[in-house]
Amino acid sequence: GQNIDQPTEMTATEGAIVQINCTYQTSGFNGLFWYQQHAGEAPTFLSYNVLDGLEEKGRFSSFLSRSKGYSYLLLKELQMKDSASYLCAALSGGYNKLIFGAGTRLAVHP
Amino acid sequence: ETGVTQTPRHLVMGMTNKKSLKCEQHLGHNAMYWYKQSAKKPLELMFVYSLEERVENNSVPSRFSPECPNSSHLFLHLHTLQPEDSALYLCASSQGNGVQETQYFGPGTRLLVL
Repeated sequence: GQNIDQPTEMTATEGAIVQINCTYQTSGFNGLFWYQQHAGEAPTFLSYNVLDGLEEKGRFSSFLSRSKGYSYLLLKELQMKDSASYLCAALSGGYNKLIFGAGTRLAVHP
Repeated sequence: ETGVTQTPRHLVMGMTNKKSLKCEQHLGHNAMYWYKQSAKKPLELMFVYSLEERVENNSVPSRFSPECPNSSHLFLHLHTLQPEDSALYLCASSQGNGVQETQYFGPGTRLLVL
């Protein structure tokens, strides 16, 4: 079957670094997306990995290991506005079909 | 603003009502999607349209009926819904070449079925 696992909740301190992990089991895997979703708002695109390795984009980085079915999102220099849910989604066969995890709710404290 | 708008933002309906959700994208994309997001559950893909043709129907009950009159507009027609259909309904769009595309989401319609 298709399965995406990520922690339900995490907390971190302003200015710190946090890593949100995601493991996946999907057929026809074709890449891994991370989205950010603030409460009551649309998910917004953060990153896309299709090859193994680290992609860095400002304060956010995303890593993929296809052989391990594993990805993580790394957030540096945390700010209060980073408090949100982070959604891991695997691109899996079909027509651009995204399989989402349930999301990790991150709370950043002063 | 992602370039994808949805109306209404909130909707309350009874189980015998008929209503429609509207999505419009201003990104020049050719593919559009409907997702359902229930509390503490993953986003679930419902329908995919590419160039106004339905290319994916993810075992959705017939009380949900999509319509895509052109590549910029997508509707979800609702009739005889159940309370468990209460959720956030999200629309998304992508370029439409079918390969490794980023999907851009609208703000969603929060639906409550009484």
